[in-house]
Amino acid sequence: ELKVEQNPLFLSMQEGKNYTIYCNYSTTSDRLYWYRQDPGKSLESLFVLLSNGAVKQEGRLMASLDTKARLSTLHITAAVHDLSATYFCAVDSMEYGNKLVFGAGTILRVKS
Amino acid sequence: EAQVTQNPRYLITVTGKKLTVTCSQNMNHEYMSWYRQDPGLGLRQIYYSMNVEVTDKGDVPEGYKVSRKEKRNFPLILESPSPNQTSLYFCASSLSIQANEQFFGPGTRLTVL
Repeated sequence: ELKVEQNPLFLSMQEGKNYTIYCNYSTTSDRLYWYRQDPGKSLESLFVLLSNGAVKQEGRLMASLDTKARLSTLHITAAVHDLSATYFCAVDSMEYGNKLVFGAGTILRVKS
Repeated sequence: EAQVTQNPRYLITVTGKKLTVTCSQNMNHEYMSWYRQDPGLGLRQIYYSMNVEVTDKGDVPEGYKVSRKEKRNFPLILESPSPNQTSLYFCASSLSIQANEQFFGPGTRLTVL
């Protein structure tokens, strides 16, 4: 069974601070996805990481992928209130028919 | 505008009354999928379809049916809804299983009494 674990599940942080969300997965996979969900809204694709060592940045968010460690990180730099949302990582693997399996999500609250 | 649409957005129904949630995409995507989202569990896949007339079970298919008669549409059918199917449902599509960045619909909040 493909498992995807995120931590922390809840993160409350002050504006201006840095923090990292971790995503561990249980199978060999070269494809990892990060999504953002605002309260009551749908999911929005943030990053697609397709190979070991991949790093992508958008504004104050940077995602990286280490396929050997089966780990992806989502780093938040100088957080602002607008980043408050739930962040999901998801993994697919040919071994599991390319089904997309999601982590439980990290609820991020940025306090001003 | 490229999008995935779902209808209805909100539905309250009673146990046993058959219902259908429609999903349509205008991006000519091959791959479509249904998820349910429950607190603390993330999103779990119900059914998916790699192309027209090709559907397969996801992780939680019990109590649901789907069909894919046209490329753009992928309805989710609950033949006899039960309270444990109360959830937030999302339809998603992607270009293909190989290009699996999925685009999500707005969601359907279903309550079964």
